[in-house]
Amino acid sequence: DAGVTQSPTHLIKTRGQQVTLRCSPKSGHDTVSWYQQALGQGPQFIFQYYEEEERQRGNFPDRFSGHQFPNYSSELNVNALLLGDSALYLCASSFKNIQYFGAGTRLSVL
Amino acid sequence: KQEVTQIPAALSVPEGENLVLNCSFTDSAIYNLQWFRQDPGKGLTSLLLIQSSQREQTSGRLNASLDKSSGRSTLYIAASQPGDSATYLCVLRYWVDTGRRALTFGSGTRLQVQP
Repeated sequence: DAGVTQSPTHLIKTRGQQVTLRCSPKSGHDTVSWYQQALGQGPQFIFQYYEEEERQRGNFPDRFSGHQFPNYSSELNVNALLLGDSALYLCASSFKNIQYFGAGTRLSVL
Repeated sequence: KQEVTQIPAALSVPEGENLVLNCSFTDSAIYNLQWFRQDPGKGLTSLLLIQSSQREQTSGRLNASLDKSSGRSTLYIAASQPGDSATYLCVLRYWVDTGRRALTFGSGTRLQVQP
């Protein structure tokens, strides 16, 4: 079992660009959540997907959008990137309300 | 709105010490509480999960307790080792309304164990 996998590992973008991050959940998990973790801070909840729909959303602007595919994998899209979007983006899949996290994608916006 | 506070924010101890990390929350209507460790630039590794009905969980040198009435959880690390150096995060899953739960993270305690 590969666990939760995220790609890419690192990414560098410039302001105004768009980015797509990808996540494959742990085998058997159908719920995927995305988090943003700024340097030195705890992760902040972005949104959660279940059955290909956004079920819950944190306090993030509409520039942050997502998608879940029939195989439960998920994408996080961020449009019109700002410098403040630089962070570690974590994906978590859950089973029986236990969260399993991926290693994250580190996004740097220049 | 559930708020989670972790104290201290940072901690440096010599190897071999027993230590306690604290997590406080404002609303006792929690579903479960999970302790994670995070190594620099990495994802989160689950350590212990305590369900709302439980008082504590143990795994090796780690023991986590939960006291809903006082809004506190503690993570006890026995005989600390340099490999324990990491950020420890407390995560609460709690009831927002009937049938809906949310997740809130503490800001973490950065632990440095000196050899």
